Amino acid sequence: EVVMTQSPATLSVSPGERATLSCRASQTVSNNLAWYQQRRGQAPRLLIYAASTRATDIPARFIGTGSGTDFTLTISSLQSEDSAVYYCQQYNDWPPYTFGQGTKLEIK
Amino acid sequence: QVHLVESGGGVVQPGRSLRLSCVASGFIFTNYAIHWVRQAPGKGPEWVAVMSHDGANKYYADSVKGRFTISRDNSKNTLYLQLNNVRPADTAVYYCARAHSSNWKNCFDPWGQGTLVTVSS
Repeated sequence: EVVMTQSPATLSVSPGERATLSCRASQTVSNNLAWYQQRRGQAPRLLIYAASTRATDIPARFIGTGSGTDFTLTISSLQSEDSAVYYCQQYNDWPPYTFGQGTKLEIK
Repeated sequence: QVHLVESGGGVVQPGRSLRLSCVASGFIFTNYAIHWVRQAPGKGPEWVAVMSHDGANKYYADSVKGRFTISRDNSKNTLYLQLNNVRPADTAVYYCARAHSSNWKNCFDPWGQGTLVTVSS
C-alpha cells in the first residue's frame, strides 16, 4: 500500500499571502496524484489531478507541482473561502487508492 | 449537471446490516466506474470499494473485504453498498464518488453529499 504523508498538519496564513502544502508518497506514483479541498461540513472537491491539471472551474491561483514521490499544492492570493482541509490522493497503485491525513489551512 | 445523492445511513447495532444507495444523474451512468469512500469523524477519507462501469469488476479495501458488497443497477442509475456484520470502526460518513474519467487510474469527481452511518449499541 502506498502511504501518503502531508505536511504541515496545520497552516495559518494571512489573506492575500501564499500557502504551500506538501505531500509525499512512500513510493513513486508517477503523476497520478490529486488534491482535494474539503470545507467544513462539505464533501471533498477535486482541485487538481494528474499532479498539475486544474479541475473544472478551479481558479488559476491553485497550482499543483511535482512528480514521482514529492508534490506541492500552492495557493496564492489567499481568500477567506480557502479555509479548509486539503487532502492529496494517489491513484497510481491500487487497490487501495490512498489519501494523505490532510493539511488544515486557516486564514488569519 | 453531474449529481450523486446517497441515502440509507443511520444508527445500526454492531453485527447488524445496512444498505446504502447512491443515485446518479447528469451523466451516462454506464460509462463510469463509481467508488464508495468513507470518512470517520475527524479523519481523512478512506477508500472503501469500486465497481466498474458494467459491474464486471469490483475491488475492496482490506478493512471491509468479506463484509461489504458493492453492486449497481444500471437501469436505475444506482450504486449500492451492502454493509454486513458492522463494527464500531465502520462509523463514518459514506460518500459515493464518480471516477473522473473512464479508466481505473483515476481520481474521484464529483462526490455526493454523504450519508452518516453510526455503529453503536
